[in-house]
Amino acid sequence: KAGVTQTPRYLIKTRGQQVTLSCSPISGHRSVSWYQQTPGQGLQFLFEYFSETQRNKGNFPGRFSGRQFSNSRSEMNVSTLELGDSALYLCASSSGELNTGELFFGEGSRLTVL
Amino acid sequence: AQTVTQSQPEMSVQEAETVTLSCTYDTSESDYYLFWYKQPPSRQMILVIRQEAYKQQNATENRFSVNFQKAAKSFSLKISDSQLGDAAMYFCAQRTYKYIFGTGTRLKVLA
Repeated sequence: KAGVTQTPRYLIKTRGQQVTLSCSPISGHRSVSWYQQTPGQGLQFLFEYFSETQRNKGNFPGRFSGRQFSNSRSEMNVSTLELGDSALYLCASSSGELNTGELFFGEGSRLTVL
Repeated sequence: AQTVTQSQPEMSVQEAETVTLSCTYDTSESDYYLFWYKQPPSRQMILVIRQEAYKQQNATENRFSVNFQKAAKSFSLKISDSQLGDAAMYFCAQRTYKYIFGTGTRLKVLA
């Protein structure tokens, strides 16, 4: 069974640009969540999607958005990039509707904003 | 508000020894789950151990066990017989309606 796949793995952008990151969950998983990881801050929850609906959202500005497609693949978009958006963005999928189970993480997309 | 606090940014342990990583949390919810995740260098994060809050018995997974003190809102991870492969960032996490992670503890294992 293939794991969670995130693309691209690395990218460099400049301030003001926008970026789209993609996540393909494990087959059969309907829940996808996104996290921003920075040194000293740990993982900050961005949002969670279940069956194409945003189920929960973290405390990030509206520049951060996401969506989920009918095949459970998910994308997140960051517009008007700022230097502070440089981070490792992790996607995780899980199977159960109650989402109390294990998260399966991708390797992450490392974004550098110059 | 949900919070998870890991007060030890870095820990070291000798190979074959035992180490305990600390975690405290706060929530007003009565139904929640607690987790420890491991992130090896440049590798994917994986689940180490899970604890349901309604269960009083501490969870164990081979060399990994937790000390769950519900009243104190404490959830520490004990690693016995530490191995070089245990070197990683360890994140404590709480799940109610969403996951909240701590800031992580970097564990170094000394040969």
